Amino acid sequence: EIVMTQSPATLSVSPGERATLSCRANQSIGTNLAWYQQTPGQPPRLLIYGASTRATGIPAKFSGSGSGTEFTLTISSLQSEDFAVYFCQHFNNWPPAVTFGPGTKVDFK
Amino acid sequence: QVQLQQSGPGLVKPSQTLSLTCVISGDSVSSNTAAWNWIRQSPSRGLEWLGRTYYRSKWYNDYALSVKSRISFVADTSKNQCSLQLTSVTPEDTAVYYCARMSFGFRNYYYGLDFWGQGIMVTVSS
Repeated sequence: EIVMTQSPATLSVSPGERATLSCRANQSIGTNLAWYQQTPGQPPRLLIYGASTRATGIPAKFSGSGSGTEFTLTISSLQSEDFAVYFCQHFNNWPPAVTFGPGTKVDFK
Repeated sequence: QVQLQQSGPGLVKPSQTLSLTCVISGDSVSSNTAAWNWIRQSPSRGLEWLGRTYYRSKWYNDYALSVKSRISFVADTSKNQCSLQLTSVTPEDTAVYYCARMSFGFRNYYYGLDFWGQGIMVTVSS
C-alpha cells in the first residue's frame, strides 16, 4: 500500500515570500503525482499533474518537481489567494487506488 | 467547460443507505478518456477515495477496500450522470462527499482529478 506524507503540517509565510512544500511516498511512484489547492468551503483544485506539469489555467508561480519518493511544490511570491491547504495525490494503476497526503496548510506569518 | 452538479440528502440515519448523484455537463459519462470518482473528506480521515466508474467498451467499477462491501456505483447515460450508494452507514461515514473527473491521455497517461463537484456535507445521525 502506498502511503503519502507531507511536511510541514503548517507553513507560515509572509505575503510576497516563497513557499516550499514537501510530499513523500513510502515507495517509488515515478512521476505519478498531482498537487491540489483547497480553500475553505471549496473542493480541491488541480494545480500540477505528472509531478511537474501545470494544469490548465494554473499560473507559473506554481511549480512542481521530484520523482520516485520525494516531491516538492513551490509557490513563488505568495498572494492572499494562495493561503490555503495543499494536498499531494498519487494514482496507482493496479490495483487501482487514489491516495492523498494529509495536506500542508499555508497561512499568514 | 465541464461542470459536476451533486445532489442528495444532507442527513442519513445510521444503518440506512446513502445515495448521491452527480450530473455531468460538458463531458459524457461514457467518455473513453475519463473516469468518474467519488471522494469524501472529513477531519478525522482527510481526503479518502471511495472509487470510480468508467466506460471502455463496457462499464468498470473500482472500489476502495475500506468500503468495498458497502458501496456501488451506477452510471446513467440517458441522464449523463453517475450515482453512489453506500449501505449500512454509521457516524464514521459523516463527511463531505465529492464527485470528480479523472482524466487520461495517450497510453492512459494520468492527468489528475481536474473537475470536481461542489461537495455535499452528509451527516449520519439519528
